[in-house]
Amino acid sequence: DQQVKQNSPSLSVQEGRISILNCDYTNSMFDYFLWYKKYPAEGPTFLISISSIKDKNEDGRFTVFLNKSAKHLSLHIVPSQPGDSAVYFCAASANTDKLIFGTGTRLQVFP
Amino acid sequence: KAGVTQTPRYLIKTRGQQVTLSCSPISGHRSVSWYQQTPGQGLQFLFEYFSETQRNKGNFPGRFSGRQFSNSRSEMNVSTLELGDSALYLCASSPQASGNTGELFFGEGSRLTVL
Repeated sequence: DQQVKQNSPSLSVQEGRISILNCDYTNSMFDYFLWYKKYPAEGPTFLISISSIKDKNEDGRFTVFLNKSAKHLSLHIVPSQPGDSAVYFCAASANTDKLIFGTGTRLQVFP
Repeated sequence: KAGVTQTPRYLIKTRGQQVTLSCSPISGHRSVSWYQQTPGQGLQFLFEYFSETQRNKGNFPGRFSGRQFSNSRSEMNVSTLELGDSALYLCASSPQASGNTGELFFGEGSRLTVL
């Protein structure tokens, strides 16, 4: 049972445009959400997080939005850069329990 | 500050064999989590150790086991390897228990190929 789902396995965006990566979850007990970025041959690295008491968190070009009623979160990257090309994983946890990851979305930013 | 170190980085085994993977966390980190990454399945949680105790376990068969030593270094073992065990095994450490509003710091992974 996949509690965290990323339904788009890949996304292609032109440089300078906005990238929107989506993530859905099924467990209403999740109260903390994170996004990780992974380059080939490297481990995932933390990007941005959001607590369930918020609906938005921003860090430079990266903004995460949380819609608790829809059990949906999204990561916006503006403007997108070629160096953003990577696999992005969303993750969630409930009551400080283990992190559950999604299946990932491969983002490609082309010139 | 050194990052999370995983050894070996690559290994090839045959069905039925067993394998041990090692993970050295960031100095001072007490939690070590293990994940399996396969195409289409994302990162599947294996287990987490905190202060030498297994804190959480994922839905993997008993062939998958792990342990943590007093210096926080961790090992995971897979016995009676199957072709489906071919994957990238990622180790992550954190100062406190994972999910506790703390991010995980990942190693580069150990890529296991089972022939």
